[in-house]
Amino acid sequence: EAGVVQSPRYKIIEKKQPVAFWCNPISGHNTLYWYRQNLGQGPELLIRYENEEAVDDSQLPKDRFSAERLKGVDSTLKIQPAELGDSAVYLCASSSSAGQGIYEQFFGPGTRLTVL
Amino acid sequence: GQQVMQIPQYQHVQEGEDFTTYCNSSTTLSNIQWYKQRPGGHPVFLIQLVKSGEVKKQKRLTFQFGEAKKNSSLHITATQTTDVGTYFCAATDSWGKLQFGAGTQVVVTP
Repeated sequence: EAGVVQSPRYKIIEKKQPVAFWCNPISGHNTLYWYRQNLGQGPELLIRYENEEAVDDSQLPKDRFSAERLKGVDSTLKIQPAELGDSAVYLCASSSSAGQGIYEQFFGPGTRLTVL
Repeated sequence: GQQVMQIPQYQHVQEGEDFTTYCNSSTTLSNIQWYKQRPGGHPVFLIQLVKSGEVKKQKRLTFQFGEAKKNSSLHITATQTTDVGTYFCAATDSWGKLQFGAGTQVVVTP
């Protein structure tokens, strides 16, 4: 079974440029998460989807960040315009609610973003 | 809002020794999960605790959920070099709000 796929793995951009990250969750997983992880810190939840509905986006900086999961499968996270402080690893995870209440999250390898 | 604290931030352990890392929440939790992240890797699920006072074991790892469902601990017995990494707790409160702790970075000295 394929894991969570993310692309690109690395991205270097100049500040004020736009950037987009793509995530394909594990097949059949209805819950999808986007996290930002800074060096030496835990993942910070940006947005959580249940199918195509964003059920928790309280930590998403909505002035510059946007996300979509149009068909309830893969998802895109966009930053426009990027700032220096956005440099971090962006992680995507998915989980299934079919596992007897165990919501194990499967993480992708992440996209390491560097903003110059 | 919910605050999740993990202590210690760093843990240097001699191979063969035991250690414990703690996770404390300011609010009562619905459940708590533990993840391990190896250097350069992504978090990998270890366990989920749901019931008050619950204790679960995985080989040398023992996980405990506090009676008040506000704290949890991970105890590793006879540490090995393969235990190197950062251990995160991920807490979900009664509103479904999910928050990761800052992690405990474990370094093992042979």
